[in-house]
Amino acid sequence: QKEVEQDPGPLSVPEGAIVSLNCTYSNSAFQYFMWYRQYSRKGPELLMYTYSSGNKEDGRFTAQVDKSSKYISLFIRDSQPSDSATYLCALTGGFKTIFGAGTRLFVKA
Amino acid sequence: GAVVSQHPSWVICKSGTSVKIECRSLDFQATTMFWYRQFPKQSLMLMATSNEGSKATYEQGVEKDKFLINHASLTLSTLTVTSAHPEDSSFYICSAPQTDSNQPQHFGDGTRLSIL
Repeated sequence: QKEVEQDPGPLSVPEGAIVSLNCTYSNSAFQYFMWYRQYSRKGPELLMYTYSSGNKEDGRFTAQVDKSSKYISLFIRDSQPSDSATYLCALTGGFKTIFGAGTRLFVKA
Repeated sequence: GAVVSQHPSWVICKSGTSVKIECRSLDFQATTMFWYRQFPKQSLMLMATSNEGSKATYEQGVEKDKFLINHASLTLSTLTVTSAHPEDSSFYICSAPQTDSNQPQHFGDGTRLSIL
């Protein structure tokens, strides 16, 4: 079993839709939970991070962590074509960071 | 926010040459930096952990003599791909946590390496 599972997609949605991206993990030692956005041929850009269960909101983005279920989510409201990218979840604990496979998102105008 | 700069962004060279990639933390000091390799449409693969003032720690299966890492200062780590061959062609990305290794990593923009 992989330490983190993320559906690679691709996920295609119309502009303005609400997007839900998810990861599940197996190791309860993970303490920090991050979401990165990666455009083609660029390095990943940190979007959000949290270290506790619950929700964290930043503009159109909401990160949700459920430690009891080992499940993390990223919601994008009012999606835009510029949101088209690969989104990677990442988990850190014990000085180790594990990345999900990344979900490719396409937002159609 | 924390900025990590990587140079060059793209390099093309002949088989057998050595290529050096630089990774700099611009507005913070990084005692630890990470080097990743990424194939098209795949996730990041950790190659090695670069430690300032000491030897790098390589992941299983990564040849340390092939991928030389030097972390001579608190703001600079270099990856040298020695005697590069076409199979070394890939996207190489560095990152650094702003404080300790449990904190989120900030990534450079990557180096696209093409070996002819």
